[in-house]
Amino acid sequence: ETGVTQSPTHLIKTRGQQVTLRCSSQSGHNTVSWYQQALGQGPQFIFQYYREEENGRGNFPPRFSGLQFPNYSSELNVNALELDDSALYLCASSLGGANREAFFGQGTRLTVV
Amino acid sequence: DQQVKQNSPSLSVQEGRISILNCDYTNSMFDYFLWYKKYPAEGPTFLISISSIKDKNEDGRFTVFLNKSAKHLSLHIVPSQPGDSAVYFCAAGYTGANSKLTFGKGITLSVRP
Repeated sequence: ETGVTQSPTHLIKTRGQQVTLRCSSQSGHNTVSWYQQALGQGPQFIFQYYREEENGRGNFPPRFSGLQFPNYSSELNVNALELDDSALYLCASSLGGANREAFFGQGTRLTVV
Repeated sequence: DQQVKQNSPSLSVQEGRISILNCDYTNSMFDYFLWYKKYPAEGPTFLISISSIKDKNEDGRFTVFLNKSAKHLSLHIVPSQPGDSAVYFCAAGYTGANSKLTFGKGITLSVRP
């Protein structure tokens, strides 16, 4: 039981729409990272939040944005959805700025049609 | 540019035998490595990690070996059990403020009863 929960579990959106995904980190963890996992690929790092500030970003366009709240929960926002954004979005929480032993949620499966 | 490579997409072993899952990396800046296991419809579950200052780390049936000169690591599972059947991801990271995990594409392990 990792304690990391994500919502919703599944989502279908239309191209051009906007989506918000949510993540509650494990108790005591102050770092949240978001990953995108396309079919047949490993998770790809989107960005990380540490104590409510962005703490690193992968090769994703600015239409991918995020927030971390004082209780360390987090949101991932994607604007102007494209078909290629269809993927499993994973949230991972950890303690401190490093990703040692990051614990993942079950993911949100986003389908863009 | 794939910095973490899991070149074998799948592996099938008999129950009770050893499973050896391999991973190669290209970036010499990585200083810690992790293995995750993933079942369908679940997020990745942390298995075991190793720091670059070590060449071996053991936890129950799971042992990870690191060969820094070859930029190669392997996960040994002994004895293999049917419940070990899953996708295994190798991941690597840097220690520091901007750490993120870089994942391989994963290996599907099937353990035959």
